[in-house]
Amino acid sequence: QKEVEQNSGPLSVPEGAIASLNCTYSDRGSQSFFWYRQYSGKSPELIMSIYSNGDKEDGRFTAQLNKASQYVSLLIRDSQPSDSATYLCAVYLMNSGYSTLTFGKGTMLLVSP
Amino acid sequence: NAGVMQNPRHLVRRRGQEARLRCSPMKGHSHVYWYRQLPEEGLKFMVYLQKENIIDESGMPKERFSAEFPKEGPSILRIQQVVRGDSAAYFCASSYSRAPDTQYFGPGTRLTVL
Repeated sequence: QKEVEQNSGPLSVPEGAIASLNCTYSDRGSQSFFWYRQYSGKSPELIMSIYSNGDKEDGRFTAQLNKASQYVSLLIRDSQPSDSATYLCAVYLMNSGYSTLTFGKGTMLLVSP
Repeated sequence: NAGVMQNPRHLVRRRGQEARLRCSPMKGHSHVYWYRQLPEEGLKFMVYLQKENIIDESGMPKERFSAEFPKEGPSILRIQQVVRGDSAAYFCASSYSRAPDTQYFGPGTRLTVL
């Protein structure tokens, strides 16, 4: 099993819809989970961090963490064409001693006007 | 600009030359991380440094690659005798505290090896 796994997509949603991005990780003891957005040819930009089970909301973004299921997700409400990008899930895995951030390959999101 | 700075933004080298990539962390940050992103692939961790110390270099290729973060000045990732397979985007990130802390990324250096 890959350490941090994401569906590569593309995930296509119409403008105004909710986009749901999912990520699973292999290491049950992992902590500190992050979502980054990366536009083509640009660097990763932090969207949200989440550390505890449950939901964390920031504007149109909601991160959800379920450590028992080893699952973290990102919901984007009222999706806009400017949200079209690749979304990277990143986890500090326990098997790295929590010293290195492991990234999934990313899910490409396409929001159509 | 208080963000992470990297230079050069684009670097072209011929096979066998040396590439030096520089990274200045965000103001107040003393922890630096280097990542490589190959086309159509994910971000891969290379090395984690604190001032004058290498904390974790488990992702660094054993040959030709080295990194440092001196007491004064930027962190430097050095690639000796570059090969075409080294062509990639190299990103630097910094954090305020030691891992596991939030990392903020610089704009990256795009290395092309001819």
